[in-house]
Amino acid sequence: EAQVTQNPRYLITVTGKKLTVTCSQNMNHEYMSWYRQDPGLGLRQIYYSMNVEVTDKGDVPEGYKVSRKEKRNFPLILESPSPNQTSLYFCASRTGSNTEAFFGQGTRLTVV
Amino acid sequence: GEDVEQSLFLSVREGDSSVINCTYTDSSSTYLYWYKQEPGAGLQLLTYIFSNMDMKQDQRLTVLLNKKDKHLSLRIADTQTGDSAIYFCAESIRSSNTGKLIFGQGTTLQVKP
Repeated sequence: EAQVTQNPRYLITVTGKKLTVTCSQNMNHEYMSWYRQDPGLGLRQIYYSMNVEVTDKGDVPEGYKVSRKEKRNFPLILESPSPNQTSLYFCASRTGSNTEAFFGQGTRLTVV
Repeated sequence: GEDVEQSLFLSVREGDSSVINCTYTDSSSTYLYWYKQEPGAGLQLLTYIFSNMDMKQDQRLTVLLNKKDKHLSLRIADTQTGDSAIYFCAESIRSSNTGKLIFGQGTTLQVKP
């Protein structure tokens, strides 16, 4: 089954404690992105990757890092989480820049 | 600039039609999408329309695109309580190689029995 898998689904952490949210897709897609969803703001792109070892900042990259060592995986790293990073995070993948985007189930992160 | 706007809330009675509206600013959009998000769930692609189309129908769903006014709508016929969710419109920009979708704020559809 074609899918994008994120882990964990829910995470509560403390300010400053490094964390990683994993994302994996099994569709051999080139493009992968991370979004955060906040009430009244819709989804905003954090980082994206066009292929292995090619990543770049989206609209709200501050406080986040990503890596793309393999085509299928695109982890989101928060080196020093802060409460303003409390949000719902989605990973997405696409075959190209103008095709359907497949989304993971989301990771609800709370930073206290 | 890139901007997509939606009204935040719509309430309808079961069996009525729902119309969710969306406006966008970038005229180089290639695809426009409607996603559905149920409580606690991810984003499910409902339908999409190419920018050179005016209308697309898929069972109870009708998408209308007015390129001149940069207006997109989603009509749900015979709305059911299971249609209660947040609906996002999103556009894909021709000039962008980021793979980014520009999302609206989402419209919460409440269906009353």
